[in-house]
Amino acid sequence: ETGVTQSPTHLIKTRGQQVTLRCSSQSGHNTVSWYQQALGQGPQFIFQYYREEENGRGNFPPRFSGLQFPNYSSELNVNALELDDSALYLCASSWDGGSNEQFFGPGTRLTVL
Amino acid sequence: GQNIDQPTEMTATEGAIVQINCTYQTSGFNGLFWYQQHAGEAPTFLSYNVLDGLEEKGRFSSFLSRSKGYSYLLLKELQMKDSASYLCAVRDQSRSTDKLIFGTGTRLQVFP
Repeated sequence: ETGVTQSPTHLIKTRGQQVTLRCSSQSGHNTVSWYQQALGQGPQFIFQYYREEENGRGNFPPRFSGLQFPNYSSELNVNALELDDSALYLCASSWDGGSNEQFFGPGTRLTVL
Repeated sequence: GQNIDQPTEMTATEGAIVQINCTYQTSGFNGLFWYQQHAGEAPTFLSYNVLDGLEEKGRFSSFLSRSKGYSYLLLKELQMKDSASYLCAVRDQSRSTDKLIFGTGTRLQVFP
């Protein structure tokens, strides 16, 4: 148990729809990172939020967006879903962006039909 | 560019020792992590190396050579529950972002 939770566990959407995934960070952690993990691949960095502001972004289009709230929770929003968006979405929290370890949540499995 | 290579699959026998190698080429290197991931679950932390040398933690050890861009994870006294994917990840602190760059993972199967 890392103290990081995500909801929902599983989600099925159709192409073109929008989705919001949620993450509750470990208490006291002010940094959250989101990763996309396609089947058989390693996680790919989407973006990071530090003290409620975006603090870096990977190679993902603008239809991937996020929010971080003062209570350590955060959201990943994906608009105009595509089939290739089907993946496990992981959030990871850490302290000050500089701690040695990022604590991963259990992930949300998104399937786009 | 950024590139992390590790073998796709490995097999081993219960009680044996296995070494999983990882080579990397990244900018802004600030340490290397090893994670274990069982199918359908989140990665769990195994080790972190920032200086050259060997870090030992129970049955698991991890080695880093920064000059060679090389790391390995050593698993001793293998157990069936060690069957999982092992992810090598480099901590990249370039452009004010602290992010992990993962390899594709090595799927380890332990047989009785």
